Amino acid sequence: EAQVTQNPRYLITVTGKKLTVTCSQNMNHEYMSWYRQDPGLGLRQIYYSMNVEVTDKGDVPEGYKVSRKEKRNFPLILESPSPNQTSLYFCASSTWTGAETQYFGPGTRLLVL
Amino acid sequence: AQTVTQSQPEMSVQEAETVTLSCTYDTSENNYYLFWYKQPPSRQMILVIRQEAYKQQNATENRFSVNFQKAAKSFSLKISDSQLGDTAMYFCAFMKSTSGTYKYIFGTGTRLKVLA
Repeated sequence: EAQVTQNPRYLITVTGKKLTVTCSQNMNHEYMSWYRQDPGLGLRQIYYSMNVEVTDKGDVPEGYKVSRKEKRNFPLILESPSPNQTSLYFCASSTWTGAETQYFGPGTRLLVL
Repeated sequence: AQTVTQSQPEMSVQEAETVTLSCTYDTSENNYYLFWYKQPPSRQMILVIRQEAYKQQNATENRFSVNFQKAAKSFSLKISDSQLGDTAMYFCAFMKSTSGTYKYIFGTGTRLKVLA
């Protein structure tokens, strides 16, 4: 089954404790992306990747890091989480430029205390 | 910078009726893509419909169709014969693919409730 998986699905952490949210896709997609969803703000793109070792900033990259060492994986790293990073996070993937259908993961709900 | 505006935070429609969700965007680009995504209560994001800016013909997918007005920078979604399963948050999204960047911009969403 074609899918994008994210782990963990729910996470409660404290300010400053480094965390990683994993994202994996099994569709051999080139384009992968991270979004955060906040009430009243819609989805905002954090980072995206066109292929292995190729990443670029979205609209809200501050406080986040990503890496793309393998085509299927695109982890999101919060090195020093803060309460304003409490949000619902989505990973997505699509073919080539991302102008095709994006397939979204189920989301990760993060609470930073 | 590109922006996407959805001016209707909430809407409701009777089952079997037709509803139109509005979306406007601002860009100086000529080549771009527009999307409508649906997010039901399960929170899963699902593509509803996609439009390429260079195509004048409006995209359709079964009961879903768009009215794409490039000069007016408008991209509305029409849902015909509304069904209870259409109850969801709907997001309009813009993506340009020039100058080596492929960023997405989403609107703030319209919450649609289909009434029995």
